[in-house]
Amino acid sequence: DQQVKQNSPSLSVQEGRISILNCDYTNSMFDYFLWYKKYPAEGPTFLISISSIKDKNEDGRFTVFLNKSAKHLSLHIVPSQPGDSAVYFCAASAMSRDDKIIFGKGTRLHILP
Amino acid sequence: DGGITQSPKYLFRKEGQNVTLSCEQNLNHDAMYWYRQDPGQGLRLIYYSQIVNDFQKGDIAEGYSVSREKKESFPLTVTSAQKNPTAFYLCASSMGPSNQPQHFGDGTRLSIL
Repeated sequence: DQQVKQNSPSLSVQEGRISILNCDYTNSMFDYFLWYKKYPAEGPTFLISISSIKDKNEDGRFTVFLNKSAKHLSLHIVPSQPGDSAVYFCAASAMSRDDKIIFGKGTRLHILP
Repeated sequence: DGGITQSPKYLFRKEGQNVTLSCEQNLNHDAMYWYRQDPGQGLRLIYYSQIVNDFQKGDIAEGYSVSREKKESFPLTVTSAQKNPTAFYLCASSMGPSNQPQHFGDGTRLSIL
């Protein structure tokens, strides 16, 4: 049973436009959410996170929005750049439980010239 | 320059053999993790360790073993009992609590000859 779902396996966005990657979760105990970026043959790198006490966190071109009632979060990248082409993983954890972070299956983002 | 080192980057194993994947970190992190990534799949947790000389099974521990004799090192052994070992293996570490982002190595790709 997938607790963290990224329903879009891939997404193509024109360079300079906004990229929106979506993530849904089912476990109401999750209170900390992260986004990772992964290039081929490399390990994921941490991008941005958000605690459940917030509904928005911004870092440069990257903004994560959290909608707790809908159990949904999204990552916005604006403007999109060629180097943003990668696989993006959504992840979630429950601080009150243990150290396990649950990852989604990832969304491959293609930035088109 | 702190980070996580996984070696080797590519590894080949004959059927029936055990093989050990190395993971070393100099980030002074307490927690370490092993994940497996298959095509189209997210990161699945194999084993994790929150402290030296202690580790717990993740979601897919069967056919794998680990040790944590030193804080810096968390080797993973893929045993002959693992029926489908061909995958990309990722090691990660974090400061400890589940709200800390994990730092990943660049992975080891294991293939069966």
